Order: sequence, then structure tokens, then C-alpha cells
Amino acid sequence: ELKVEQNPLFLSMQEGKNYTIYCNYSTTSDRLYWYRQDPGKSLESLFVLLSNGAVKQEGRLMASLDTKARLSTLHITAAVHDLSATYFCAVATRDSNYQLIWGAGTKLIIKP
Amino acid sequence: DSGVTQTPKHLITATGQRVTLRCSPRSGDLSVYWYQQSLDQGLQFLIQYYNGEERAKGNILERFSAQQFPDLHSELNLSSLELGDSALYFCASSDSGGEVDTQYFGPGTRLTVL
Repeated sequence: ELKVEQNPLFLSMQEGKNYTIYCNYSTTSDRLYWYRQDPGKSLESLFVLLSNGAVKQEGRLMASLDTKARLSTLHITAAVHDLSATYFCAVATRDSNYQLIWGAGTKLIIKP
Repeated sequence: DSGVTQTPKHLITATGQRVTLRCSPRSGDLSVYWYQQSLDQGLQFLIQYYNGEERAKGNILERFSAQQFPDLHSELNLSSLELGDSALYFCASSDSGGEVDTQYFGPGTRLTVL
């Protein structure tokens, strides 16, 4: 069974600091997605990572994928309050018939 | 705004009742996905339709059913509702339902079963 684990599940940090959210998955993956969800709101697509070594950046967020380690990271640089949200990773594999298997989410709170 | 619309935004009903949630995908998208998000279960994939045909099933209960119509909008029917069905229900769409597609999520329908 494909499992996707995120850690930490909760993170409180100060503005201006850097931090990393980790997403581990249990089997070979063909692609990995990062989404953001604000409280009570919908999910917004952030990144799609398709190959080993893929790195994508948007503003203060950078995502990377290591398929050999079955690990993706979402790095936050010089955090600002607007980045407070819950971040989900999701993995699609042949084993899941390419349906997305979701991590539990990381709730990120950034304090001024 | 993702371009995916869902109605209603909120729904309050009683146990044993039946409700229908509606979703209109982004213009041009052929695939529709339904998800349930609850505090204890997280985000659960329910079912996918592609161009009117069921393509994949996830953790969908037998009390739940869905369909996609010729105009590509989709409805999720929930019957014999239980307290545990209270959740946020999301619809997402993608252009072809292929292996690499990004799914774009609607605003969700919050269902409360009393």
C-alpha cells in the first residue's frame, strides 16, 4: 500500500526564518505534487515534480524531488506571515493507478 | 479562482437524508474528481469521471454515488446520511485525466449532518 508521510505535521515559526517540510513516500513515484490550503478554503496547486532532481521555485518556496530517497522537500526562505497555511504533498504512481495519494498536511503558522 | 465551481457552499441536513452536491469543471477540462476532507480522515479520494465515464474509484461508500453529465458537470449524491459524513467535499478537475495532469480544486461544499 502506498503511503505518504509528511513531517512535521505542525510548525510554528518566526518571520524571516528558513524551514523545510518533508514528504516521504513508500514506493516508486512518477510524480509528486505540492498544494497549499488556507483555513476553510480550497486547495491551490503549487508545484508538480516529475523527475529525480527536479527543483521548482516560486517566490519564497522551493520544492525538490529525490526519487531514489523517495523524498520531496518544500523549503521556505525568509518566511512571511502570508505563507501561513496547510501544505499538502500528494504522490501519483502506477500502483495507485495514478490517483493522488495525499499526505496528512503540514500546518504552518508564521508569527510576526 | 481555479475556475471550478461547486454548489452549494454549505449544506445542513439531518441523519438519514439524501443530498446532491454539484460541480462544474474548468472550461475544457474533461476529468472530474471528488474528495472528502474531514478532520480525522484527512483528504480522501472518492471517485473520478472522465468525459462521462467512471475512471477510478477510491474510498467511496456504497451510500454515495456520482455521475458526470454530457455537459461535463458532475453531481455527487450522498444518501442515508450519518453524522460521520459531515465534512468538506471538494471537486477537482483536470484537462484530460492523464498521468501528469494537475488537478484544480473548487471551493468545496461544507456538509453538516445533525
